[in-house]
Amino acid sequence: GAVVSQHPSRVICKSGTSVKIECRSLDFQATTMFWYRQFPKQSLMLMATSNEGSKATYEQGVEKDKFLINHASLTLSTLTVTSAHPEDSSFYICSARPTINNQPQHFGDGTRLSIL
Amino acid sequence: EDQVTQSPEALRLQEGESSSLNCSYTVSGLRGLFWYRQDPGKGPEFLFTLYSAGEEKEKERLKATLTKKESFLHITAPKPEDSATYLCAVQAVGGGYQKVTFGIGTKLQVIP
Repeated sequence: GAVVSQHPSRVICKSGTSVKIECRSLDFQATTMFWYRQFPKQSLMLMATSNEGSKATYEQGVEKDKFLINHASLTLSTLTVTSAHPEDSSFYICSARPTINNQPQHFGDGTRLSIL
Repeated sequence: EDQVTQSPEALRLQEGESSSLNCSYTVSGLRGLFWYRQDPGKGPEFLFTLYSAGEEKEKERLKATLTKKESFLHITAPKPEDSATYLCAVQAVGGGYQKVTFGIGTKLQVIP
């Protein structure tokens, strides 16, 4: 149960390119999805909370115009890194929490983004 | 501000050598404490949720316990396949915005 699919798993692209990452909950509905960034030897840093049918909530210091989030349905959220630069290179992970209260988040397998 | 501190940062065990990982937390009111396992290059895999002090949960060689200030993940007779980074996270009570705060993790290596 509780499977979250994240695609693509790896992206290598040139500076200035925009990159879209998809996160799908495969066997449950998720009103709320989360986008994290993880640097080596550091904890998961929450970037934004994605709410189905409404605007995302961004954490302090995260540029909402840089990291565009769309949560169009109860099973799909997308993160678009616009005009990516080398400093955006990182491991991005999404998670989804079932709509039922007190259920844990389930994570995708992450996207390794490398900007040349 | 909610805080999660995990120790040790890294742990090396011989196969069969039992040990415990620690997660100390500070939160205004605990809604839930979560343990995850993360393999290199992968997203975290959910292991346990604990809700109140005194609660214990088990899964194969793993047992998680909870007090008002910390949680332990006990690993009994570990095997090499238990090697991974173990993450602890807390979620606070209250408000519509239920942010989860993660610790940095304990990297466990089990040697055959």
